[in-house]
Amino acid sequence: GAVVSQHPSRVICKSGTSVKIECRSLDFQATTMFWYRQFPKQSLMLMATSNEGSKATYEQGVEKDKFLINHASLTLSTLTVTSAHPEDSSFYICSAGGSLAGGTGDTQYFGPGTRLTVL
Amino acid sequence: GENVEQHPSTLSVQEGDSAVIKCTYSDSASNYFPWYKQELGKRPQLIIDIRSNVGEKKDQRIAVTLNKTAKHFSLHITETQPEDSAVYFCAASKTGGSYIPTFGRGTSLIVHP
Repeated sequence: GAVVSQHPSRVICKSGTSVKIECRSLDFQATTMFWYRQFPKQSLMLMATSNEGSKATYEQGVEKDKFLINHASLTLSTLTVTSAHPEDSSFYICSAGGSLAGGTGDTQYFGPGTRLTVL
Repeated sequence: GENVEQHPSTLSVQEGDSAVIKCTYSDSASNYFPWYKQELGKRPQLIIDIRSNVGEKKDQRIAVTLNKTAKHFSLHITETQPEDSAVYFCAASKTGGSYIPTFGRGTSLIVHP
């Protein structure tokens, strides 16, 4: 299957700082990537859909000025958590998919996730 | 929009037993139903999927069934092993274009040796 990488895998930061998370599709081009947030023992909550070359589409309740998404190329999308606070601590996961990824056109492949802890 | 319900939230079985996880969906236009397995602290990984043009699909010990009329689909794991212990998520989406899958809440499967 396709490979999606995510960096960093774990980050600890002070309250008020910004944190950037990178999501890369290593062996395929992804015009669309998805960003999820996952709380312990809970499901995946879609935050936004990242579209290459255009603005991201945010889900209701997700602050676009706090969670900045940039999809500058077909292999890279970034999520920046601005002015992070302890309540932003969570597991953030990206995904990408499609026929170019070797899937059936609908299969999503997830990155390994980033554990963010805001002190 | 689509709404996916998943049950049970926790499932505990003995090694060798079968495990069944059920999901229902609301949007009759949904036609792609993947299942993901997520081990603690790791990424969700696709284990099996099914499209609306088939009623059942098997892959070794794992099978998925789909009832379009009732709008529900199930994951069946036979001869469970301790390494099957994980959280399983179902999802429903439409194919083609910019699809956005809707995930169930997840089922924590515990297989006791």
